[in-house]
Amino acid sequence: DAGITQSPRHKVTETGTPVTLRCHQTENHRYMYWYRQDPGHGLRLIHYSYGVKDTDKGEVSDGYSVSRSKTEDFLLTLESATSSQTSVYFCAISESPPNGQYFGEGSWLTVV
Amino acid sequence: GNSVTQMEGPVTLSEEAFLTINCTYTATGYPSLFWYVQYPGEGLQLLLKATKADDKGSNKGFEATYRKETTSFHLEKGSVQVSDSAVYFCALSRGSGGGADGLTFGKGTHLIIQP
Repeated sequence: DAGITQSPRHKVTETGTPVTLRCHQTENHRYMYWYRQDPGHGLRLIHYSYGVKDTDKGEVSDGYSVSRSKTEDFLLTLESATSSQTSVYFCAISESPPNGQYFGEGSWLTVV
Repeated sequence: GNSVTQMEGPVTLSEEAFLTINCTYTATGYPSLFWYVQYPGEGLQLLLKATKADDKGSNKGFEATYRKETTSFHLEKGSVQVSDSAVYFCALSRGSGGGADGLTFGKGTHLIIQP
């Protein structure tokens, strides 16, 4: 299994507070991704990174920011959490995107 | 942009039955295509892939063929087991970079195999 660790795995937070989710990899893969999974929507891409300090938006990036200061870590920040951001968040990594991405175990976030 | 449509289910089959989960896509260019599987409480696992027309991806008895003429990538297995019960996602690369800028996923198909 690919070495991907997401933290925290579960979090409950209040509306309006900032939240940061961390994705840590030990595979030295260039590409990293954040998705959210919601019932009836499958997975949707939030942001992705194609190298250190190189990031770009996905299809549902509003209200989220990311940072990648080193190869192994990709941080997702909810600047001011809202109830609509209650979701399961998955990090994925890839060395060669045409060969697929490898997913972490997910972070369950509840915004109350 | 690229999009994926897959049958949503739930799909309920008896053990040893033949499985087909349909997946069709809309894309410009030549996307890479993938099937992922998700077991309860876990992340997604790459099941198989195909990167060009007529490629057949296969793994653990599952197969899917990249059909450009019908824009389809249907998942098949000849004889399912209870352990195959899971949610299956069809996905394709968002742009022309083979997935470098991420994947677009279908909504998932919940498969239930009864003994």
